[in-house]
Amino acid sequence: NAGVTQTPKFQVLKTGQSMTLQCAQDMNHNSMYWYRQDPGMGLRLIYYSASEGTTDKGEVPNGYNVSRLNKREFSLRLESAAPSQTSVYFCASLTGVSDTQYFGPGTRLTVL
Amino acid sequence: DAKTTQPPSMDCAEGRAANLPCNHSTISGNEYVYWYRQIHSQGPQYIIHGLKNNETNEMASLIITEDRKSSTLILPHATLRDTAVYYCIAPARGASKLTFGTGTRLQVTL
Repeated sequence: NAGVTQTPKFQVLKTGQSMTLQCAQDMNHNSMYWYRQDPGMGLRLIYYSASEGTTDKGEVPNGYNVSRLNKREFSLRLESAAPSQTSVYFCASLTGVSDTQYFGPGTRLTVL
Repeated sequence: DAKTTQPPSMDCAEGRAANLPCNHSTISGNEYVYWYRQIHSQGPQYIIHGLKNNETNEMASLIITEDRKSSTLILPHATLRDTAVYYCIAPARGASKLTFGTGTRLQVTL
């Protein structure tokens, strides 16, 4: 049971490049989330998926798109990266039993 | 979600109990209080949650006041590895998302 996994762990992009951050969970959770965390700041919700086939915007969705590929996988795409998107990105999934979120190890993204 | 208020930072000597307070005066009757922590650069980690009774697990104890307007997370014997940012949150019941504030930075020292 690996929990929540994220790839890649680190990434450096140039302004304007695109990339997809991958997230997978093996706990059979319905809900999944993408957060970003800037240095010295708290977590901010980008997008979430309450169930397979649905996605909704969080508080900072601009510049991002998401895909809930299946129950296990939830990807985050940056179509045209900007320096303001330099951050650490965390994926999480939610158990419906206790409404507890489990987080992945994060992807550290730098946009030059 | 109920608004939560935590002190920005606290210190604790290793081996002592760390008591982290949280105010949630607007909490409604069916909203749980959750505690998470984030050790430097890692993903947040769930610690404990409760509704109105005190709770204890292998990591910590949670004391919730009778009026439910505040709570305290207790790490009974803090170690250096407990140095982290601790988040107290009270999401609406069945909420599909959690909102994290800036938490309390706990520094455990020798």
